[in-house]
Amino acid sequence: GAGVSQSPSNKVTEKGKDVELRCDPISGHTALYWYRQSLGQGLEFLIYFQGNSAPDKSGLPSDRFSAERTGGSVSTLTIQRTQQEDSAVYLCASSPGQILSGSPLHFGNGTRLTVT
Amino acid sequence: KNEVEQSPQNLTAQEGEFITINCSYSVGISALHWLQQHPGGGIVSLFMLSSGKKKHGRLIATINIQEKHSSLHITASHPRDSAVYICAVPREVGSNYKLTFGKGTLLTVNP
Repeated sequence: GAGVSQSPSNKVTEKGKDVELRCDPISGHTALYWYRQSLGQGLEFLIYFQGNSAPDKSGLPSDRFSAERTGGSVSTLTIQRTQQEDSAVYLCASSPGQILSGSPLHFGNGTRLTVT
Repeated sequence: KNEVEQSPQNLTAQEGEFITINCSYSVGISALHWLQQHPGGGIVSLFMLSSGKKKHGRLIATINIQEKHSSLHITASHPRDSAVYICAVPREVGSNYKLTFGKGTLLTVNP
């Protein structure tokens, strides 16, 4: 596709339910990032995938959060037993290589998650 | 761990004015990002720079690595420049992909 695609664009779920958020990066981009933007807060790093290397999960806020990237392309961020504090915009970005190799970041439009 | 401070937090300007947004960080880095986020919209990467100055149209970004400071300038501002501008730097030495972000500067350009 032309850009990073995220789905759904909006998700409302009840507290305690599991949700899956999908990210389709730009074709050929080896690096994929998930960030979260909570209301009134800045962006925060969640997880990073680079090629076939083990992902850096150090930004995930709790063990209810997990992510995978299948075939080096599509990524799914899963939040189990959602809590109200999980409400945020979840943003995915991709880049052709590691950021500081000169690769710019390309962001998706995000998934707005609301936990009621 | 890197801390990022942006100023001002809010900025209102008249069309045509010259705009400056500042970003300071605490830990030495090799590159810094400037991002733009329109209301309700996605985020666009404007610049990634490691030294000196970069220019794209009416946007200019400068960085002083020694002083740990960067500025984003907009010349001849236009209402369509209204957006949140965010700077981002590596969160810690060696973690180039793990960015930490400023809280953003909300720019409103009035016609």
